[in-house]
Amino acid sequence: DAKTTQPPSMDCAEGRAANLPCNHSTISGNEYVYWYRQIHSQGPQYIIHGLKNNETNEMASLIITEDRKSSTLILPHATLRDTAVYYCIVRPYTGNQFYFGTGTSLTVIP
Amino acid sequence: SAVISQKPSRDICQRGTSLTIQCQVDSQVTMMFWYRQQPGQSLTLIATANQGSEATYESGFVIDKFPISRPNLTFSTLTVSNMSPEDSSIYLCSAAPGQGAHEQYFGPGTRLTVT
Repeated sequence: DAKTTQPPSMDCAEGRAANLPCNHSTISGNEYVYWYRQIHSQGPQYIIHGLKNNETNEMASLIITEDRKSSTLILPHATLRDTAVYYCIVRPYTGNQFYFGTGTSLTVIP
Repeated sequence: SAVISQKPSRDICQRGTSLTIQCQVDSQVTMMFWYRQQPGQSLTLIATANQGSEATYESGFVIDKFPISRPNLTFSTLTVSNMSPEDSSIYLCSAAPGQGAHEQYFGPGTRLTVT
């Protein structure tokens, strides 16, 4: 069962913020939201995760709505190297496995 | 962080044969996993490779087709047995330092083509 819903594709102009949405309306109280990305011909790369508070690291920001039913990954200044498939995943805090959905293919345009 | 290498990086195999893919991690890790990524598709988890015990397979994957070894905390192998063209995929290994770890590290993948 798909636990997250993401748009299949998005474009973003280079230098602008990329805002990638994710719906996870059935998320449970013990589930985190994770974001990974997969650049072409590489293995996926961890970006960020959060439970209910907004999170920021050197790569991105994660905004989770108050009801936790959706989130947005923000790449503040997209570069061409950010062109990738972005996966939003929910997982229980006790879980070990990641189950990938279909993701969003982000293309950063010069 | 952990750096993961896989061998071979790619291979072309004939149907009916088997291929063993190796995954090496540069540090000891508790958890290791194997994924398959069919052309143009997302990643599908095949199994969790357990050190010292049998792997835990996801629905749709069986040990006879995908035997897995995990002899120690830095190494695992996945064998794709009795291959058919439908097994043509990228096979990826991942690792996590501990149970419930938030970050998993992925290898570069092994691109398998079955003719």
